Amino acid sequence: AQSVTQPDIHITVSEGASLELRCNYSYGATPYLFWYVQSPGQGLQLLLKYFSGDTLVQGIKGFEAEFKRSQSSFNLRKPSVHWSDAAEYFCAVGEASAGNNRKLIWGLGTSLAVNP
Amino acid sequence: DADVTQTPRNRITKTGKRIMLECSQTKGHDRMYWYRQDPGLGLRLIYYSFDVKDINKGEISDGYSVSRQAQAKFSLSLESAIPNQTALYFCATSHDRWGTDTQYFGPGTRLTVL
Repeated sequence: AQSVTQPDIHITVSEGASLELRCNYSYGATPYLFWYVQSPGQGLQLLLKYFSGDTLVQGIKGFEAEFKRSQSSFNLRKPSVHWSDAAEYFCAVGEASAGNNRKLIWGLGTSLAVNP
Repeated sequence: DADVTQTPRNRITKTGKRIMLECSQTKGHDRMYWYRQDPGLGLRLIYYSFDVKDINKGEISDGYSVSRQAQAKFSLSLESAIPNQTALYFCATSHDRWGTDTQYFGPGTRLTVL
């Protein structure tokens, strides 16, 4: 069965430091991969997505992610974190089952805290 | 105006009460979803609907029911609420039939069952 693992439950970084959030997936075919962010008290917002092509994808708010098929990973990165990046981050994979019955498989999330 | 709205935003109810959470969208999407979020458990899918006539159970549908009144409206009901249904509930929509499946989320409903 498809699955998504976010190994880090909680990460704390200093403002201005670089950030990498890890995501590993288990999926037989080429996956559709997503990163979403949930700011405190808000719904989830799409940061970026990968379907095909260039394995380095750019998203909103200065985030990027790299798809590595050999490592079954889709890690999220940001070169310099801002205090407003403190949030919960979710990785997800699009499940392709028979016909149109496609839905997302979600990781459990990584909570990011940013120290001033 | 928000594309995906949820009402109410907060609700406190008592065990055994029937409660309905409503979701409306102006994105024109066919697909709608209900999730619940609990600390440490991430997002879990309750029900999803790919069009008005197509409703499917998710991974945790027991104790819940849904109604897709129109393309734009998808309601979640708890027929007899229990305390372990206390959670943050999200509605989401998506458009692509062949699965880019970018989902657009409402702001959430915080439900407390006493």
